[in-house]
Amino acid sequence: GAGVSQTPSNKVTEKGKYVELRCDPISGHTALYWYRQSLGQGPEFLIYFQGTGAADDSGLPNDRFFAVRPEGSVSTLKIQRTERGDSAVYLCASSSLVQETQYFGPGTRLLVL
Amino acid sequence: GNSVTQMEGPVTLSEEAFLTINCTYTATGYPSLFWYVQYPGEGLQLLLKATKADDKGSNKGFEATYRKETTSFHLEKGSVQVSDSAVYFCALSDRSSGAGSYQLTFGKGTKLSVIP
Repeated sequence: GAGVSQTPSNKVTEKGKYVELRCDPISGHTALYWYRQSLGQGPEFLIYFQGTGAADDSGLPNDRFFAVRPEGSVSTLKIQRTERGDSAVYLCASSSLVQETQYFGPGTRLLVL
Repeated sequence: GNSVTQMEGPVTLSEEAFLTINCTYTATGYPSLFWYVQYPGEGLQLLLKATKADDKGSNKGFEATYRKETTSFHLEKGSVQVSDSAVYFCALSDRSSGAGSYQLTFGKGTKLSVIP
C-alpha cells in the first residue's frame, strides 16, 4: 500500500475486555514499531519488530500487553484485561532495514470505559 | 536515559511572523534528531531530520541545526503561514541502543496556531 494503515481507527471497550489493534506496514519495510500517545503527550515507544521477531519489547508497560508479527508484515497489538489508563492513541510506524526514518500510520484511538 | 524537552505551547503567531520552537535533548550515545508534524486530523509526518553534529535539516521553509555543544535542535521558519498550524514534535533516535532499534524518543509537542 501507499502508507501505513491501522485498524480500527477507533475502538471503544469496557474495562476488563480484550482488544486487538492491527497495523499494516509499508510493503517491504522490515522494521515495525508500536507507540502509545496519551492526551497532551508525545508518543512513547512500546515494541520494535525486525522481521517476525520482537527485537525490543522494553517499552511494554506490563504483561497485559503483547504484540505479534507472525509473517513479518502485519502486526497485531493485543491488550488483555483493559484498564481505563490504557485509553490512548496507539501508533504504528515502519521503516526499511537501512533507513532510520519511520513512517507513521494514522493511529487507533482506544477508549476504555 | 534519553529524553527530549521542547517548549510548551500553545504558540499563536500572526501570518508571516518568525517562528522558533526550542528543543533540547539528553542522549547516552550519538542520536539522530527529528522534527515531526501532526496536522489537524492527520497522522505524524516527518518534517526534517539531521543525523550528525552541525547538520542542518530543512523542508517546506523550516530549518533546524543539530548543535551538539548545546544539545539542541531548535525549529525555525522565517515566515509562517496559516497552513503551518499543527502540533510539532521534536524527537531523537539513538543508534547506540541495543537490538538494532531506531526507536524514537519524543518531546511532548508544541501546538502552533497561525492566524491571518
